Amino acid sequence: QQQVKQSPQSLIVQKGGISIINCAYENTAFDYFPWYQQFPGKGPALLIAIRPDVSEKKEGRFTISFNKSAKQFSLHIMDSQPGDSATYFCAARGGTALIFGKGTTLSVSS
Amino acid sequence: NAGVTQTPKFQVLKTGQSMTLQCAQDMNHNSMYWYRQDPGMGLRLIYYSASEGTTDKGEVPNGYNVSRLNKREFSLRLESAAPSQTSVYFCASSPGVYNSPLHFGNGTRLTVT
Repeated sequence: QQQVKQSPQSLIVQKGGISIINCAYENTAFDYFPWYQQFPGKGPALLIAIRPDVSEKKEGRFTISFNKSAKQFSLHIMDSQPGDSATYFCAARGGTALIFGKGTTLSVSS
Repeated sequence: NAGVTQTPKFQVLKTGQSMTLQCAQDMNHNSMYWYRQDPGMGLRLIYYSASEGTTDKGEVPNGYNVSRLNKREFSLRLESAAPSQTSVYFCASSPGVYNSPLHFGNGTRLTVT
């Protein structure tokens, strides 16, 4: 019940395309769903986050879609750029700890 | 503004040796965390400190100890290192434990031979 399942493990997208990463969870007590972006040699950094009372949140080219009934949420990156190449982690908070997915390595080819 | 600073950046240990990973934050955050990152495993919480003077176990605490030295500093100690502890260790901080974004350091890459 504490798991966050993330897919795909890796993703290759052409420049200008849409990147989609999906996450699913079981614990209905989770109440905060952030996405983190990590570049090689760096720590993860918060990209965008959503709470379960909202179905979608958009910040620039990044959008979170949230489906409470299906217990799923996804990250959409519009007009993907080579600079978006990184590892992306979804996460969910239940209580005091963030539970992370296993990560998706995104490569955007130019 | 340095944010979260971790030392050292790299370390190689022999099995059975001990060491302490240091972490300091300058954002006046109340909560601090230690995660480990392994290929294909994501980030797993080792220990956290909700506030100065408190520490709690996370998902994978075995083989580790922590000390919240003051509000700024949170150290992670390996008493007797094992090859299974080869990993990248990240320290993070947040204003509070509930619904607050984590700010991560750049990690310590530890190899245990």
